[in-house]
Amino acid sequence: DSGVTQTPKHLITATGQRVTLRCSPRSGDLSVYWYQQSLDQGLQFLIQYYNGEERAKGNILERFSAQQFPDLHSELNLSSLELGDSALYFCASSAGTKGEQFFGPGTRLTVL
Amino acid sequence: ILNVEQSPQSLHVQEGDSTNFTCSFPSSNFYALHWYRWETAKSPEALFVMTLNGDEKKKGRISATLNTKEGYSYLYIKGSQPEDSATYLCAFRGSGNTGKLIFGQGTTLQVKP
Repeated sequence: DSGVTQTPKHLITATGQRVTLRCSPRSGDLSVYWYQQSLDQGLQFLIQYYNGEERAKGNILERFSAQQFPDLHSELNLSSLELGDSALYFCASSAGTKGEQFFGPGTRLTVL
Repeated sequence: ILNVEQSPQSLHVQEGDSTNFTCSFPSSNFYALHWYRWETAKSPEALFVMTLNGDEKKKGRISATLNTKEGYSYLYIKGSQPEDSATYLCAFRGSGNTGKLIFGQGTTLQVKP
């Protein structure tokens, strides 16, 4: 157990809908990262937050947004969902801005 | 576009065999190379973080080497066991002030008893 928690574990929704994925980092970690793993693709970096501020952005779609709250948990919001958004979404956390990253169990999103 | 390549894509070995995989990454703007072990239905588990050229790290039967000048890292597993069956991922971190990791596609290892 890495100490990073993610909810929900599974999510099934329809195209056009909006969902929110939640992540709680390890105790004391200030950085939260979001990664997406689609079929036949490796883990793709989406976004990093450090102590509430956006630190780095990857190939995150405009339909996706994230934030990190004062208690350091983070949410990833996915809107106007398309079939291609079906993927495993991982959250990871690290102590600083560049440290070893510990991964949560992931949220499997299925868009029908 | 930064590319991280891993080979082979998959590997089937017999219990007791030793094996190794390769990770190739950009040799410029290097900060660190991470290795993860990812078992089905679990989350990626950190194995090593390597930062210095010539670094060698070891954890039990698994070891890794790093060559930042030519941009490659090897992961070795000595005497493979069925419980070593997993996907092994490497990830490149560049020298910017972020923790962004660029992952390879992984090498999936299957160890037959």
